[in-house]
Amino acid sequence: NAGVMQNPRHLVRRRGQEARLRCSPMKGHSHVYWYRQLPEEGLKFMVYLQKENIIDESGMPKERFSAEFPKEGPSILRIQQVVRGDSAAYFCASSPLAVRVGYEQYFGPGTRLTVT
Amino acid sequence: GQQVMQIPQYQHVQEGEDFTTYCNSSTTLSNIQWYKQRPGGHPVFLIQLVKSGEVKKQKRLTFQFGEAKKNSSLHITATQTTDVGTYFCAGRVGNYGQNFVFGPGTRLSVLP
Repeated sequence: NAGVMQNPRHLVRRRGQEARLRCSPMKGHSHVYWYRQLPEEGLKFMVYLQKENIIDESGMPKERFSAEFPKEGPSILRIQQVVRGDSAAYFCASSPLAVRVGYEQYFGPGTRLTVT
Repeated sequence: GQQVMQIPQYQHVQEGEDFTTYCNSSTTLSNIQWYKQRPGGHPVFLIQLVKSGEVKKQKRLTFQFGEAKKNSSLHITATQTTDVGTYFCAGRVGNYGQNFVFGPGTRLSVLP
């Protein structure tokens, strides 16, 4: 059973370009979470999705950022018109069907985005 | 909003010494999870605590959840160089909330 997969692992974009980050959850997992991590900082929640639905996007900037998790295919975090401040590691995590009291999140290896 | 704090931010220990990191929440948590992230790696789940006053052990690691469910600790006995990394706690409020709030982490360095 493959773990959470993210690609690309490293992405370099110039200011103003678009960045597309992909996440394939573990088999059988229908819950996906995106986090951003700045160097030497903690994980900041961005968005939580289930298949075809955005459940919570309270951590995602209102402009330039969007996320989707289609019925088929990976979850995608899209950043339009990137700026230098978007440079960070973006981690995706997945979990199986949520149970009443907590669940373990399995993290992918992350995508390191560098904006030049 | 809910805040999760961790202390210390950094800890340098000699191999063989003990290490403890503390996690504190501004609100009561339904459960708390601990993760470890090696330098350049991704967070890896260590454990989840649910009950008030709960204590769990994993070999040299001991995890505690406070009686008021607002704080937690991770204690490592006799650290080894393989313990190097950043330890994050993540707390969840409410039984149906789906999001965990991560603390800023404690970065552990172990000198051989």
